[in-house]
Amino acid sequence: AQSVTQLGSHVSVSEGALVLLRCNYSSSVPPYLFWYVQYPNQGLQLLLKYTSAATLVKGINGFEAEFKKSETSFHLTKPSAHMSDAAEYFCAVSGSGGSYIPTFGRGTSLIVHP
Amino acid sequence: DAGVTQSPTHLIKTRGQQVTLRCSPKSGHDTVSWYQQALGQGPQFIFQYYEEEERQRGNFPDRFSGHQFPNYSSELNVNALLLGDSALYLCASSPGPQEGDTQYFGPGTRLTVL
Repeated sequence: AQSVTQLGSHVSVSEGALVLLRCNYSSSVPPYLFWYVQYPNQGLQLLLKYTSAATLVKGINGFEAEFKKSETSFHLTKPSAHMSDAAEYFCAVSGSGGSYIPTFGRGTSLIVHP
Repeated sequence: DAGVTQSPTHLIKTRGQQVTLRCSPKSGHDTVSWYQQALGQGPQFIFQYYEEEERQRGNFPDRFSGHQFPNYSSELNVNALLLGDSALYLCASSPGPQEGDTQYFGPGTRLTVL
């Protein structure tokens, strides 16, 4: 079975500060890992995807995530937060047990203060 | 290139009624998945359609059913609505039911059951 744990339901940062959103996964095989962003009253937009080609994955809007197998982690970072980054962020894993279906975490709400 | 579209945007129903939600996949995609996202939660997988057949199903009762048409569009039907069915229903499409395929999400249909 595959699962995702997102540590912290809310993360609050000041504009210009580092953003760090944590994601740990459980999977019996090398996984596919995703980060999605959801703005209020909208669907999910893909930020980035890990497919084993490189452990550091760069995504849209200045976000990146690093796959660490030893820690079973896939944390999302951005060097400098913008007000427009305020949204809900979801980590997802797929590929375990032959399942093509991603399993999502419960989400982390990013709050950006001016 | 139109992305994933869903209709209607919002819907209000009463307990016991039936509802049909619609989804058109992104151009070039032939696989459609449906998710339920309750308030404050991550998306939960309902089922996936490919070649007009249900390929995988999540842990949802038979009250939830679906259909895929030859043009790859899809419907989600929910019978005997319960208050707990109130949620955002997301449709996602992908280029095929392959391991690691990225799913592209629509804006969702907000269902309120009174």
